[in-house]
Amino acid sequence: DAGITQSPRHKVTETGTPVTLRCHQTENHRYMYWYRQDPGHGLRLIHYSYGVKDTDKGEVSDGYSVSRSKTEDFLLTLESATSSQTSVYFCAISELTREYEQYFGPGTRLTVT
Amino acid sequence: QQQVKQSPQSLIVQKGGISIINCAYENTAFDYFPWYQQFPGKGPALLIAIRPDVSEKKEGRFTISFNKSAKQFSLHIMDSQPGDSATYFCAGSSASKIIFGSGTRLSIRP
Repeated sequence: DAGITQSPRHKVTETGTPVTLRCHQTENHRYMYWYRQDPGHGLRLIHYSYGVKDTDKGEVSDGYSVSRSKTEDFLLTLESATSSQTSVYFCAISELTREYEQYFGPGTRLTVT
Repeated sequence: QQQVKQSPQSLIVQKGGISIINCAYENTAFDYFPWYQQFPGKGPALLIAIRPDVSEKKEGRFTISFNKSAKQFSLHIMDSQPGDSATYFCAGSSASKIIFGSGTRLSIRP
């Protein structure tokens, strides 16, 4: 998976609790992304980062926040988890010159009960 | 707003047959149209990509056909094999972001 790890890989949490997912890369790629994957919806972009401390919203950003304090780490936080945020979350990275080629991590399966 | 529409949702093809997945897009700012392949339990991986100024791109058994005037493109898998069974996503890329279609689950029957 191109030097990308995600943690945790599985998590079950209760509605209303905060949750943080971590993405770590060893490729030194500039861009990092968080997607969620749900049946019938494909992959939808939550937030992305184009550099340390530089982030922007994607198409489904409500209820999520991100932070990138180091090139290699990109954190996704659900401030107060809801059942609608039950999903599989993927982190991805890409380089500036080939933005259409993203390398994906193994995913985190999050269940909010 | 769904900017890339993909069909069919699922597809069953006999081994050795041709698998065809179709996509249509709305955003004329897309500068690349990649296809991603995803196996169960794994993240998606880039399969093949095409620029909008090219009508066809072939890599091995995989071919993208692109119709700019119709805003449509398709993936053809020739001589489909059981190992091709996966979910396929078409996409449009621009401004460092990718918009994915909803995916096609392809099953190749032996």
